[in-house]
Amino acid sequence: DGGITQSPKYLFRKEGQNVTLSCEQNLNHDAMYWYRQDPGQGLRLIYYSQIVNDFQKGDIAEGYSVSREKKESFPLTVTSAQKNPTAFYLCASSPTGAPNEKLFFGSGTQLSVL
Amino acid sequence: AQKVTQAQTEISVVEKEDVTLDCVYETRDTTYYLFWYKQPPSGELVFLIRRNSFDEQNEISGRYSWNFQKSTSSFNFTITASQVVDSAVYFCALTSGGSNYKLTFGKGTLLTVNP
Repeated sequence: DGGITQSPKYLFRKEGQNVTLSCEQNLNHDAMYWYRQDPGQGLRLIYYSQIVNDFQKGDIAEGYSVSREKKESFPLTVTSAQKNPTAFYLCASSPTGAPNEKLFFGSGTQLSVL
Repeated sequence: AQKVTQAQTEISVVEKEDVTLDCVYETRDTTYYLFWYKQPPSGELVFLIRRNSFDEQNEISGRYSWNFQKSTSSFNFTITASQVVDSAVYFCALTSGGSNYKLTFGKGTLLTVNP
């Protein structure tokens, strides 16, 4: 089945540690996105990429980094500079990134700080 | 700047009741798109509907219906004869037809349908 796979489902980070969240899609979509969801809040865009080897900062990119070396993969690294990383992280994709396209979402990664 | 307001944080109903989830949006663009997504307890958001700014026709899909009114900048979502499986967080979202893709989400409404 086509879709988006996020791993791990749960992740714990120690102080000063960088952690990487995986996002893989087999939908052949050009555009991919990372969102952060806090309890009772909407989704906020961290980074997005409309093509391989190119990505743009979203509204809350500070303390995060991404790469897009392959079309199907868009990993997110939460760096030690992100002081409040505890949140639910959602990866999404769409065919081309056009504004009228619906997004396809993964099942998310819950990141917590030890 | 775009903004989406979902004033209802939580709604609780009994099965078979009708329920309306409100969504009010703000945008300066004349071309824009509105969406509703459902987030069940599993966490994955599921697309429900998309509307563009030039199409104010209301839509019905089974027990779901959507009322888009540009005059009041609202895009409300009604579930008729609610069921326990409708329990989820529902998000309204907005994007404009500009060159950069940026989907703005409301804070969501948690709907609980009790048996």
